[in-house]
Amino acid sequence: GQNIDQPTEMTATEGAIVQINCTYQTSGFNGLFWYQQHAGEAPTFLSYNVLDGLEETGRFSSFLSRSKGYSYLLLKELQMKDSASYFCAVRDDTSGTYKYIFGTGTRLKVLA
Amino acid sequence: IAGITQAPTSQILAAGRRMTLRCTQDMRHNAMYWYRQDLGLGLRLIHYSNTAGTTGKGEVPDGYSVSRANTDDFPLTLASAVPSQTSVYFCASSLGQGGNEQFFGPGTRLTVL
Repeated sequence: GQNIDQPTEMTATEGAIVQINCTYQTSGFNGLFWYQQHAGEAPTFLSYNVLDGLEETGRFSSFLSRSKGYSYLLLKELQMKDSASYFCAVRDDTSGTYKYIFGTGTRLKVLA
Repeated sequence: IAGITQAPTSQILAAGRRMTLRCTQDMRHNAMYWYRQDLGLGLRLIHYSNTAGTTGKGEVPDGYSVSRANTDDFPLTLASAVPSQTSVYFCASSLGQGGNEQFFGPGTRLTVL
């Protein structure tokens, strides 16, 4: 089957570093994505990993280990505007076409 | 139009009524998707289309239908709405089915009474 797990909620302090973990199980893995969603808004793309290792984009980094079914999103130098929900999503091609499976999201609160 | 748009922004609907949610993109993206987002359940894929003229079922397709007559438009229809279809609906598109980034519309908040 397909399953994605990530923590429901996290709290961190402005200026700190936070790591949001994601574990997944899928038979047809074809990429892992992280999206950010502010309350009342649409999700926006943050990062994409298909090979093992770290991808960095500014203050955000995403790591993937395919053998462990594990990814994390690392946010550095936290700002108040980083308070949002973060979704891990897996692209699966088991059925011969691509489908996206989203986790239930991690709500991050950044405190002053 | 810039990007991907959805209409209406919000709607209150009586159970049993038919409703079509509209989605239009001007990025010439081949792939389009419909998701519903419910509290605590994240985003769940309803239907998708990899290219104009083709559609496929996602994780929660029952009670919904889609069509893809052209590249730009991907309407979602609820033939006979039920209260469990109360949700926020997001349309998204990507360059192709293998596109690495999905662009999401602003969403439609639907309440079925």
